[in-house]
Amino acid sequence: AQKVTQAQTEISVVEKEDVTLDCVYETRDTTYYLFWYKQPPSGELVFLIRRNSFDEQNEISGRYSWNFQKSTSSFNFTITASQVVDSAVYFCALSAPLDSNYQLIWGAGTKLIIKP
Amino acid sequence: DGGITQSPKYLFRKEGQNVTLSCEQNLNHDAMYWYRQDPGQGLRLIYYSQIVNDFQKGDIAEGYSVSREKKESFPLTVTSAQKNPTAFYLCASSMGGGIYNEQFFGPGTRLTVL
Repeated sequence: AQKVTQAQTEISVVEKEDVTLDCVYETRDTTYYLFWYKQPPSGELVFLIRRNSFDEQNEISGRYSWNFQKSTSSFNFTITASQVVDSAVYFCALSAPLDSNYQLIWGAGTKLIIKP
Repeated sequence: DGGITQSPKYLFRKEGQNVTLSCEQNLNHDAMYWYRQDPGQGLRLIYYSQIVNDFQKGDIAEGYSVSREKKESFPLTVTSAQKNPTAFYLCASSMGGGIYNEQFFGPGTRLTVL
């Protein structure tokens, strides 16, 4: 069955450190999509990235980068030179047609605390 | 500006009362969703709708009801049958119900039962 695991419940780092948030998924589908969302203290979830199962290229957007590895079923998220504004809860999610009937399967989230 | 609005931001309810949470979107999205989030937890799907006048139960639909009479609106009613309704409720929408469509979220409604 489909599943998304974010094993890190909470991570705390000092500003300017690099930090990686792990996401491991399970699905029987060969076509699927993976997502990352950010939930700042205000509560509203913000979409960060979408990646399909056929595109294993790493993605970089400013200080954010994503490493997708099908061999290990992982879609990890790295923040380089972290800033206090990066403090939030980050969710990884999976969408697969057969396993999840087109709905998002959410990880439990990783709370990231960036200390000044 | 296009987006999703939810009202009210904070809602207090006495036990035994039904309450309705509003969700409106002007993104012209076909699909809409309601999630529940408990402190320190992930998101759990309550109901979703892929087209007007049609909706499906999610993982935790018991004690909740919805309607989708207009494309823009997807209100959620928390009934007295919901035993533990205190939570943060998030509404979302997506262009369609396909697996590639990212969901866009509203600011949420925090419901507290007194």
